[in-house]
Amino acid sequence: GAVVSQHPSWVICKSGTSVKIECRSLDFQATTMFWYRQFPKQSLMLMATSNEGSKATYEQGVEKDKFLINHASLTLSTLTVTSAHPEDSSFYICSAPMGGGNEQFFGPGTRLTVL
Amino acid sequence: GENVEQHPSTLSVQEGDSAVIKCTYSDSASNYFPWYKQELGKGPQLIIDIRSNVGEKKDQRIAVTLNKTAKHFSLHITETQPEDSAVYFCAASTGSGTYKYIFGTGTRLKVLA
Repeated sequence: GAVVSQHPSWVICKSGTSVKIECRSLDFQATTMFWYRQFPKQSLMLMATSNEGSKATYEQGVEKDKFLINHASLTLSTLTVTSAHPEDSSFYICSAPMGGGNEQFFGPGTRLTVL
Repeated sequence: GENVEQHPSTLSVQEGDSAVIKCTYSDSASNYFPWYKQELGKGPQLIIDIRSNVGEKKDQRIAVTLNKTAKHFSLHITETQPEDSAVYFCAASTGSGTYKYIFGTGTRLKVLA
């Protein structure tokens, strides 16, 4: 199947700093990518839809100024958590659909810990 | 809004027994229903999916059934093995044509050796 990578796999930062997470589709192009957040023992919550060449679409309740998304190319989307706080500590996962079907491929996730 | 309910939240079975996880969705326009397996600290992995024009699909020990009328779909794992232990999520497409999913709350499956 298709491969989606994320970098870094984990990151620890101080409160108030910004952190960038990359999501890459390695063997296919993705005009759309999705960013999810997952708290311990909970389900995946969609944060935003990343669109190549246009602005991201954010889900209700997600602060667009705090979670900056840039879909720089057909294989790369980045999520920047600005002015991170301990409550932003979570597992961030991206996904990308391939082809004309509904199937999405998920990245391995990035564990963010804000001290 | 649309939601997906998933039951049970935890499930323990003896090795070799079958496991069944059930989901109910609310969006009549949903037409794609994937199941994902997530191991600790990893991203979800697609294990099987079904589209709304099919009632059942099987892949070796894994099968999924769909009842569109009742808006139910279920995952069946037969001859369970310890390596099947993980968290399983069902999902339903939102029907808006944008590949968006709504995920169920997850089922933690433990297969006891």
